[in-house]
Amino acid sequence: NAGVTQTPKFRVLKTGQSMTLLCAQDMNHEYMYWYRQDPGMGLRLIHYSVGEGTTAKGEVPDGYNVSRLKKQNFLLGLESAAPSQTSVYFCASSYSGQVGGTQYFGPGTRLLVL
Amino acid sequence: AQSVTQLDSQVPVFEEAPVELRCNYSSSVSVYLFWYVQYPNQGLQLLLKYLSGSTLVESINGFEAEFNKSQTSFHLRKPSVHISDTAEYFCALAQGGSEKLVFGKGTKLTVNP
Repeated sequence: NAGVTQTPKFRVLKTGQSMTLLCAQDMNHEYMYWYRQDPGMGLRLIHYSVGEGTTAKGEVPDGYNVSRLKKQNFLLGLESAAPSQTSVYFCASSYSGQVGGTQYFGPGTRLLVL
Repeated sequence: AQSVTQLDSQVPVFEEAPVELRCNYSSSVSVYLFWYVQYPNQGLQLLLKYLSGSTLVESINGFEAEFNKSQTSFHLRKPSVHISDTAEYFCALAQGGSEKLVFGKGTKLTVNP
């Protein structure tokens, strides 16, 4: 049981390049989330999904797109990376229907945009 | 709109000293409250949570937090810290019925020998 895994662990991009971050969970969780963590800012929700085939915007969605084609995977895409997107990205998942359910986090992806 | 305020960005303490990490929240409806911990170069993991019932909740490693509705606070305490408690601690809330979490900006706890 690997929990939540993220690929890649670290990536350097040039401004304007695109990339996709992959999140996978093996806990059969319905809900999945993408956050970004910046120094002194805590975690901010980018997008989330409440089930396969569904996505919704979070607090800071601009410049990102997501897809949830399979229940276990949640992809975060950057179409044209900007230096402001330099951050650590965390994926999380949770079991729906559980009041106050725990979110389980992956180890993070460090992204540097030059 | 709901919000979480962590009053201290950094808290240095000596080993075996007590510590309190402060968290205040703002919400117009009922909330669930959480403390997550992030050890260096790792993801976040749940430390403890308050959903209902007893206002004092405890974790397995000696931390406790008390929900105070009148003061809208959920402070985290430990009577005697260890070097291994060095980490960043995040307070978070979820409004009743919502899966989405709102995080505070975090408090870095550094335990010195």
